[in-house]
Amino acid sequence: DGGITQSPKYLFRKEGQNVTLSCEQNLNHDAMYWYRQDPGQGLRLIYYSQIVNDFQKGDIAEGYSVSREKKESFPLTVTSAQKNPTAFYLCASKQRSSYNEQFFGPGTRLTVL
Amino acid sequence: GQQVMQIPQYQHVQEGEDFTTYCNSSTTLSNIQWYKQRPGGHPVFLIQLVKSGEVKKQKRLTFQFGEAKKNSSLHITATQTTDVGTYFCAGGSNDYKLSFGAGTTVTVRA
Repeated sequence: DGGITQSPKYLFRKEGQNVTLSCEQNLNHDAMYWYRQDPGQGLRLIYYSQIVNDFQKGDIAEGYSVSREKKESFPLTVTSAQKNPTAFYLCASKQRSSYNEQFFGPGTRLTVL
Repeated sequence: GQQVMQIPQYQHVQEGEDFTTYCNSSTTLSNIQWYKQRPGGHPVFLIQLVKSGEVKKQKRLTFQFGEAKKNSSLHITATQTTDVGTYFCAGGSNDYKLSFGAGTTVTVRA
């Protein structure tokens, strides 16, 4: 089956701890994205990557970091600098052309206690 | 930066009725995409509009792209319980990014 996997589905962390969310795709897509979803605010772009070893900040990158060492993988680290990390995090990928649809993973719900 | 506004935020519909959700951008868009997210799920692509004034239909769903390519609408006729969820518009530019609206959450009264 081709698709995007995110793990885990639910994640709990103590305040002050860094946490890394996994995103893997086997669709052979060049571009990958991380979004944060909060109630009533839609999807806000955290980071995106158009190609391996390259990534750009989105609209709300502060307190987050990413890497893109492999085409298939785009992990997101939520650092202790992120003031309100509790949210639903969605990873997406697409073919590189700006006119292609994005395919989303099932998401990770992060709760910081 | 590009901003996409979507209204209404919530839509409560009697089963069988029609409704429309609207999307407006502060800048001209290269394309607009619509996604649907079922409760507890993730967004799933519905359709893309590229041309000025374009209209596309998917069964009971009709999508329009404005002449100025700054607004779009989704009209659903004869709403069914399967239409429950949140509908997002997403405006595309030439930099591989999408700007998502806040979404319209639809509930249906049987």
